[in-house]
Amino acid sequence: DTAVSQTPKYLVTQMGNDKSIKCEQNLGHDTMYWYKQDSKKFLKIMFSYNNKELIINETVPNRFSPKSPDKAHLNLHINSLELGDSAVYFCASSPFPPNYGYTFGSGTRLTVV
Amino acid sequence: AQTVTQSQPEMSVQEAETVTLSCTYDTSESNYYLFWYKQPPSRQMILVIRQEAYKQQNATENRFSVNFQKAAKSFSLKISDSQLGDTAMYFCAFIISSGAGSYQLTFGKGTKLSVIP
Repeated sequence: DTAVSQTPKYLVTQMGNDKSIKCEQNLGHDTMYWYKQDSKKFLKIMFSYNNKELIINETVPNRFSPKSPDKAHLNLHINSLELGDSAVYFCASSPFPPNYGYTFGSGTRLTVV
Repeated sequence: AQTVTQSQPEMSVQEAETVTLSCTYDTSESNYYLFWYKQPPSRQMILVIRQEAYKQQNATENRFSVNFQKAAKSFSLKISDSQLGDTAMYFCAFIISSGAGSYQLTFGKGTKLSVIP
C-alpha cells in the first residue's frame, strides 16, 4: 500500500490551462504539505495544512490554490498555467509535530508547453 | 530565518569506498531535528537518517552515520562501503521543534552523489 500517493505522476499541458494534482495519505497523519522542486532540484514549501486548517502559505501566486476536504487529502489546483510553473510538485505528510520528518509522495512532474 | 547550506554541489566516490557529505545550518533555536533525505533518479524522497539536536550521540543507520557538531552547526553524512544504489541527490534538512517556522522542513540545495563502479 502506498503511504502517500499523488496523481498524476506526469502532467503535460498548454499555457493558460487549469489543472489539479491530487494527494492522499493513508498513514493517519494530521499534517500535509505541498513542495515545489525546481529545475535545479531546490525544494521549497508552498502550503501546509494541519487537520484541514491552512498553517503555512508561502509566497506563491494566487493561481495556486490548495484544498483539503479531509485530513487524508490535500489537492493542488493551478489556474492559468505558465511556463514557469513547470517543476516537480511533491505532496508530503507527517504527524503533528513532525519530529520524525515527512513522508513524501513520488512527485508529479508538471510540464507546461 | 532558518537556512541550510550544502557546499558540495556534486561528489563522486568509488564503489566500496567511504564518502562524507557536508551540511551546515543556521538557526537561533536550540531544539530542532536534523535529517538527511536521499532522492535517487526515481525521484522518490527517502529519509536516510535523523538526529535530535539535544542528543550528543551521533545517529547511525547501517552504512550511514552522521557527525553532528551543534556548536559549529554542522551535520555531515558519512556513507561507508558505498554501493551503486547510493547514487542520488542528498538533501540536508531540519525542523524547529518549538514550532517556530510552523514546523516547516527546510532543505539545503542538495549534493549530487555518483558512485563509480
